[in-house]
Amino acid sequence: AQTVTQSQPEMSVQEAETVTLSCTYDTSESDYYLFWYKQPPSRQMILVIRQEAYKQQNATENRFSVNFQKAAKSFSLKISDSQLGDAAMYFCAYRSAVGQGAQKLVFGQGTRLTINP
Amino acid sequence: EPEVTQTPSHQVTQMGQEVILRCVPISNHLYFYWYRQILGQKVEFLVSFYNNEISEKSEIFDDQFSVERPDGSNFTLKIRSTKLEDSAMYFCASSEESGSGNTIYFGEGSWLTVV
Repeated sequence: AQTVTQSQPEMSVQEAETVTLSCTYDTSESDYYLFWYKQPPSRQMILVIRQEAYKQQNATENRFSVNFQKAAKSFSLKISDSQLGDAAMYFCAYRSAVGQGAQKLVFGQGTRLTINP
Repeated sequence: EPEVTQTPSHQVTQMGQEVILRCVPISNHLYFYWYRQILGQKVEFLVSFYNNEISEKSEIFDDQFSVERPDGSNFTLKIRSTKLEDSAMYFCASSEESGSGNTIYFGEGSWLTVV
């Protein structure tokens, strides 16, 4: 079974600075998808960014980018120019490309990000 | 932007009672899901639903739980004989297709407190 590990329970960053959240995963599959979800105090799960394992190019979405290292099974999220609205719990998630695992997301434990004004 | 909506946002129930959590998935989506997040813990998959039947379920989703699509818009999670440990945030989600490249969109969650 696949597992996702986020080793940083909490992180903090000054407003306008850059922060990187870490995520590692364990899988024997070669094709899969990785996601970062944001959960603000409202508790809704909001998709931040996604990465297809077959793509070597790292995904970017405005101020958010990932560093995907397939061999190392690492998938970190970089937030540039941090804003107060970025404060949230961030979850890394894995989804298989085929088979029954494709029906579900496997989440990490989450990293709580605080933005200091 | 279309969104998944859930009701109620918060429900308090007595232990042993039955609870129904309701969800309206995004209208053109075909796959529906329920996830659970116990306070302070990671989000866990419960069940996926397609074409009016369960397509996958986790070990958490035992006989106490059931899902239903009673009409063309609603998707419900029923929890029978609730226990204290069922207290959690329950997220409904939907996706357009089964391909795992498709994004799963989550609702705002229904917070269930069992007392």
